[in-house]
Amino acid sequence: GNSVTQMEGPVTLSEEAFLTINCTYTATGYPSLFWYVQYPGEGLQLLLKATKADDKGSNKGFEATYRKETTSFHLEKGSVQVSDSAVYFCALRTGNQFYFGTGTSLTVIP
Amino acid sequence: GAVVSQHPSWVICKSGTSVKIECRSLDFQATTMFWYRQFPKQSLMLMATSNEGSKATYEQGVEKDKFLINHASLTLSTLTVTSAHPEDSSFYICSAGLGGTSGNTIYFGEGSWLTVV
Repeated sequence: GNSVTQMEGPVTLSEEAFLTINCTYTATGYPSLFWYVQYPGEGLQLLLKATKADDKGSNKGFEATYRKETTSFHLEKGSVQVSDSAVYFCALRTGNQFYFGTGTSLTVIP
Repeated sequence: GAVVSQHPSWVICKSGTSVKIECRSLDFQATTMFWYRQFPKQSLMLMATSNEGSKATYEQGVEKDKFLINHASLTLSTLTVTSAHPEDSSFYICSAGLGGTSGNTIYFGEGSWLTVV
């Protein structure tokens, strides 16, 4: 079946620290992979995506590479900001259906 | 701006009552919408696929008589939690796709926090 395993939080970092949130997946076929972000009181927003192996998704300084050999899609950012404080969800998509990880809460302190 | 809107964002209801959550696609028509729920510290789980003009398709383990889904128009799907109980307290979120193929862009609503007291 399809599933996503995501690093548990919460994660607390100082401003300008390096961020990694691990995500691995199990899937039949060739899914697309996503990172969504949920800011306090808001809905899910697409952060970045990758549709095939070795693709790198990037947005707002965040990056993730679709690694088929390790079935991973880890999220990274070189220097986090206070405004990055949010909950991050890793997800895979097959057809129109999504499978989500549990979400990782990130708090960045000044 | 939001392309999928949910209402209400927060709702508190008494045990035994019913509560309706709306999901609207703004500026586009969605023949299919999806409803998810999230229990604390767990993943968002697909509950059902809402199909305009026909019955919703429910995931295994989801009670269709308890979670009534109506997709009466191309821009609106509603989820009604009937005879709500405290264990129904959860975060409910909907999504809709722009375009009809599996490669289309999916947008999520803001989510609705339901608390049953």
